[in-house]
Amino acid sequence: RKEVEQDPGPFNVPEGATVAFNCTYSNSASQSFFWYRQDCRKEPKLLMSVYSSGNEDGRFTAQLNRASQYISLLIRDSKLSDSATYLCVVPLPPTRGFGAGTILRVKS
Amino acid sequence: EAQVTQNPRYLITVTGKKLTVTCSQNMNHEYMSWYRQDPGLGLRQIYYSMNVEVTDKGDVPEGYKVSRKEKRNFPLILESPSPNQTSLYFCASKKGPNTEAFFGQGTRLTVV
Repeated sequence: RKEVEQDPGPFNVPEGATVAFNCTYSNSASQSFFWYRQDCRKEPKLLMSVYSSGNEDGRFTAQLNRASQYISLLIRDSKLSDSATYLCVVPLPPTRGFGAGTILRVKS
Repeated sequence: EAQVTQNPRYLITVTGKKLTVTCSQNMNHEYMSWYRQDPGLGLRQIYYSMNVEVTDKGDVPEGYKVSRKEKRNFPLILESPSPNQTSLYFCASKKGPNTEAFFGQGTRLTVV
């Protein structure tokens, strides 16, 4: 089983839609969780950390379900500029744990 | 400004000609690592380092070498590049095991 698994997509959604991605992880001892955003052929950048209590940043909400070992990312009111690949990161061991990414395409 | 700097950003080279991709971070991070990214395969770890003079293999180390003589630098060396090493390479650093990783801007390498 892979350390981190994501649905590769692509998710094609219209502007204004709500879209959600899930990511499952295999190591129950994982302590930290992140979502990164990667634009085409550019470096991944941190979108948000995922805390046990869940967290929200504007239109983005991240949640953690330890019992089922998955994290989720919800994007509300999608914008064209949200089109990117979203990487789930569960760093255990510390320098590994990158999901292959989920492609989001927001269309007008 | 806190950053990870890779050079060069783009490189076209010929098979067998040794090359080095440099990576430097100014955040005093302990952990540094190299990844390659190919279409449909995500980020694959080449080598990583948890401290000065401590390096270890990742998932795809064949054909690559690294060194960590100073905390800030972690160069990636291709002694004899081959076309199957054509890829997009990223260097990353992080402070601790549960902290976020910072990535360099990437090096697009083509070996002909």
